[in-house]
Amino acid sequence: ETGVTQTPRHLVMGMTNKKSLKCEQHLGHNAMYWYKQSAKKPLELMFVYNFKEQTENNSVPSRFSPECPNSSHLFLHLHTLQPEDSALYLCASSQDRDSAYEQYFGPGTRLTVT
Amino acid sequence: AQKITQTQPGMFVQEKEAVTLDCTYDTSDQSYGLFWYKQPSSGEMIFLIYQGSYDEQNATEGRYSLNFQKARKSANLVISASQLGDSAMYFCAMREVGIKAAGNKLTFGGGTRVLVKP
Repeated sequence: ETGVTQTPRHLVMGMTNKKSLKCEQHLGHNAMYWYKQSAKKPLELMFVYNFKEQTENNSVPSRFSPECPNSSHLFLHLHTLQPEDSALYLCASSQDRDSAYEQYFGPGTRLTVT
Repeated sequence: AQKITQTQPGMFVQEKEAVTLDCTYDTSDQSYGLFWYKQPSSGEMIFLIYQGSYDEQNATEGRYSLNFQKARKSANLVISASQLGDSAMYFCAMREVGIKAAGNKLTFGGGTRVLVKP
């Protein structure tokens, strides 16, 4: 596999469920990101990891819990979500957090909270 | 104030014609980068082109070119010879290098939907 992959591509969950989103990058990058894309709103950065360390939490509610076990994998653990959390969740990676390189995105997970 | 403004929510363009997508930005940093991404209906954000604030020449990548006007703080994307596969959402984004805390944080505009007509 090449590039940035995300699983699952679609997820429907109830408000009391616990689920996890997975992101994997095959580019040898050291920085990984979670973004949220809601309808009619600009893309919002959620979390940044650089060399496995979280360097930014953009005021994200605690019902979203990221995990970065190594530079290639990034998870987003979800629990007790709200309907307004329904969105496209995009993962991205870049060479590292501070370099001039562009970010490469995965195809996203379309999340629906019922 | 919004850092990235895309004033065109949607545009139609005839196949084989050129189209210009507007993007204006707001920053007090001297060092920054501007990006354009394409998002087809599949959802993936595809990197198209990059312009650094110190680059003197406008960036070009195949059919994509960036009309960078630094004094006006605009970074318009020009797509030449439009193809049906160009139908997608297009996002302008900025990364402010001078603010260390921002790191590689990209700030995105609201996007422009382009529909190419045959």
